[in-house]
Amino acid sequence: DTAVSQTPKYLVTQMGNDKSIKCEQNLGHDTMYWYKQDSKKFLKIMFSYNNKELIINETVPNRFSPKSPDKAHLNLHINSLELGDSAVYFCASSQKAATEAFFGQGTRLTVV
Amino acid sequence: GENVEQHPSTLSVQEGDSAVIKCTYSDSASNYFPWYKQELGKRPQLIIDIRSNVGEKKDQRIAVTLNKTAKHFSLHITETQPEDSAVYFCAATSGNTPLVFGKGTRLSVIA
Repeated sequence: DTAVSQTPKYLVTQMGNDKSIKCEQNLGHDTMYWYKQDSKKFLKIMFSYNNKELIINETVPNRFSPKSPDKAHLNLHINSLELGDSAVYFCASSQKAATEAFFGQGTRLTVV
Repeated sequence: GENVEQHPSTLSVQEGDSAVIKCTYSDSASNYFPWYKQELGKRPQLIIDIRSNVGEKKDQRIAVTLNKTAKHFSLHITETQPEDSAVYFCAATSGNTPLVFGKGTRLSVIA
């Protein structure tokens, strides 16, 4: 009965490749997010979706493209991967703004 | 936009002592302040939160205080145990934006 699940958990790939990370939540939440956690553990918001619509897109390179086919899913596609993209990517969801965000288990992306 | 500063970045305490982590925020419209605990290799998980209409909240050994005037909020852990060792994050939001996190505090409880 995992609330927010991401796949894959680990992803090792070469520079220049394109990869996707999938996220699903079964909490019935309207809002989903992607956060990036770098090697210094800083959690930085990348995207915020509300009911399948993009609400916030922080200063993220356009190589990163989120897709929300329905409000339970928010996938992240990354083109032309770079070494600096190596990080842990967390998907999260919340019922509405200013409420608890539930995080997925994270995807550790390593670009070599 | 919101900016959250968190101190200290690392904190070591003896088992049984108290630990205090402090955060400041910049957006006076922020009204929700959660604290998350992240154990090594795990996801961040909510441990306590406070809203702007409350000055203090307590849950067993954990308490959070909020000073809206000064835009400060703090996490207090009493009677620390080795299993409290983790990275702790404060966050803030006005509800119009996603949670903005502080940079985290690595707490080590020494047995």
